[in-house]
This record gives sequence, C-alpha cells and structure tokens, in this order.
Amino acid sequence: DSGVTQTPKHLITATGQRVTLRCSPRSGDLSVYWYQQSLDQGLQFLIQYYNGEERAKGNILERFSAQQFPDLHSELNLSSLELGDSALYFCASSLASGGRTDTQYFGPGTRLTVL
Amino acid sequence: GENVEQHPSTLSVQEGDSAVIKCTYSDSASNYFPWYKQELGKGPQLIIDIRSNVGEKKDQRIAVTLNKTAKHFSLHITETQPEDSAVYFCAASWGNKLTFGGGTRVLVKP
Repeated sequence: DSGVTQTPKHLITATGQRVTLRCSPRSGDLSVYWYQQSLDQGLQFLIQYYNGEERAKGNILERFSAQQFPDLHSELNLSSLELGDSALYFCASSLASGGRTDTQYFGPGTRLTVL
Repeated sequence: GENVEQHPSTLSVQEGDSAVIKCTYSDSASNYFPWYKQELGKGPQLIIDIRSNVGEKKDQRIAVTLNKTAKHFSLHITETQPEDSAVYFCAASWGNKLTFGGGTRVLVKP
C-alpha cells in the first residue's frame, strides 16, 4: 500500500458526460501528479500540482482539468467524454517539487469506461 | 521532449533464471531513473531507482545499471520467482515529469 488513495475505483459513464476523479496524497506529500494509462498510449503524464498550484503540464487535453485543494487532495475533471478517454487514471504523490526529482508513489487507479 | 524506449515487450523466464530489461532515453538532461512493477489491477509500485551520479544500485535480487554516455539503463532480476511475474516500466525524468517506457510483461514459469 503506497498511502495514496483514489476514488472511485471504477467509473462507467456515457459519451458527452463529465466525471470527477479524486486523489488523496500520502501524508506529508505536497505534490500530486495525474497519469493516464491506455493500451495504445501507455503511461502518460497529464499534470502536476504542488501545494495548490499547477507546476507542470503534459499531454492533457483541454477537456480535462485538475485542481489541488488546501487539504492537498486533488481532483481530475474530465468533460465531454469520448470513447477514447476510456483508460486507467492514476494519481501519484511526492514530497516536494524542488529541483531534485522526488520519488513518486502511485495510487491504485480509477478505471474509466466511456460507453 | 523526452522519449524512452523499453525492450523487450515480453519476457518469459524459467523460475530461478535471471531477467534483464533494457531502456534507452533521449534527453541527456534526465537525471532520475525509476523502475516500477505493476501487477494486474494495481497501480505501479516503485521497486528501485537510480540517479545520474550513480552507475549501479542493488537491492537484494534487483539491480539497476546506468550508462549516461550511451543513455541507457537496465534492470536485472536474479533468481526469479513466480511472484516476479508482472509488467515492469522504466522511466526517465528531469525535474518531476516522468516519461515512461512502453513496459515489459515478465512471466516467470515455475
């Protein structure tokens, strides 16, 4: 158990809908990262938040957004869902966001199915 | 941006044999190289990592080597056991953005 929690574990929805995925980092970690894992694209970095502020962006679609709250939990919002958004979404957390790369610990993931 | 290539994509070994997975990266600025193990239905779990100021690191049956000049790094698992069966991912990072390889599915046959 990494100490990172994610809810829900599974999510089934229809095209065009909007969903919110939730992540709680390990105790003491200030950074939260979101990744998407699909069969054809592998594990891809989406976005990083550090202490409430966006710190780095990857291949995140404009239909997707995220935020980190004062209690450091994070939410990933996916809107106007398409079939191709079906994937595993992982949250990871690390201690800080300094120049030295921190170890990232992954949560169990949320499996999103868009029908 | 960074690109990480991982080989092989599948690896089948007999229990007790060694397994080796190789990765190459493109960005010479990358300075952190973790390896993750992912079991079915679970998130990636860090098994070992190495930083660019170190050439080799070992933890029990697992070792990682890094060749900065050639920009490649490898995972070595000795005395493989059935519980080593999983998908293994290498990654490279500069700053905090991890770029992952495509993964290697390892099957350890009893």
